Amino acid sequence: DAGVIQSPRHEVTEMGQEVTLRCKPISGHNSLFWYRQTMMRGLELLIYFNNNVPIDDSGMPEDRFSAKMPNASFSTLKIQPSEPRDSAVYFCASSFGDRGNQPQHFGDGTRLSIL
Amino acid sequence: DQQVKQNSPSLSVQEGRISILNCDYTNSMFDYFLWYKKYPAEGPTFLISISSIKDKNEDGRFTVFLNKSAKHLSLHIVPSQPGDSAVYFCAAIGDSTNAGKSTFGDGTTLTVKP
Repeated sequence: DAGVIQSPRHEVTEMGQEVTLRCKPISGHNSLFWYRQTMMRGLELLIYFNNNVPIDDSGMPEDRFSAKMPNASFSTLKIQPSEPRDSAVYFCASSFGDRGNQPQHFGDGTRLSIL
Repeated sequence: DQQVKQNSPSLSVQEGRISILNCDYTNSMFDYFLWYKKYPAEGPTFLISISSIKDKNEDGRFTVFLNKSAKHLSLHIVPSQPGDSAVYFCAAIGDSTNAGKSTFGDGTTLTVKP
């Protein structure tokens, strides 16, 4: 079975450019999560969706960040304009169920470097 | 305010010995706890979990203990193997109806020496 698929695996771009990260969750999972991992702040939850609806975006750092989930099999995290401090590894994860006691399945992440 | 804390950034043990990784939490509303393992350049993978109604859960070499009164949980790996070398994250879920939003600790890097 395919796991959570993220693309690209690596992204290097100059500050001010728009960055779009993509995620395909595991088929049948109905919750999707976007995380950011940095040395300083560890693993931070940015936003999560349940049944394609954003439930909690309180972790989104600024208006420069936006996330969408147009259907059950695809989500994007967009940064516009990007800044050097956005450099981090971004993970997408998915899980099944509404009760919340299900483990999350993570993709291998996108390593983002903003120059 | 960090609600889930892993106070030891790193741990080194000899192959065959026990590894004990610790995690403390502050929010008494957490009712489900999970451990994830992460290798470099990969995403975290689920390892083992425990509900707040239990105090122990075992899966092969891995056992998680929960002490609710102390708001403390630990992961025991016996015997430790070099392949267990990874970063271990503790995570807590505060409301089982909230579609699985987890709060993660900062991780502990385990090194198992041959």
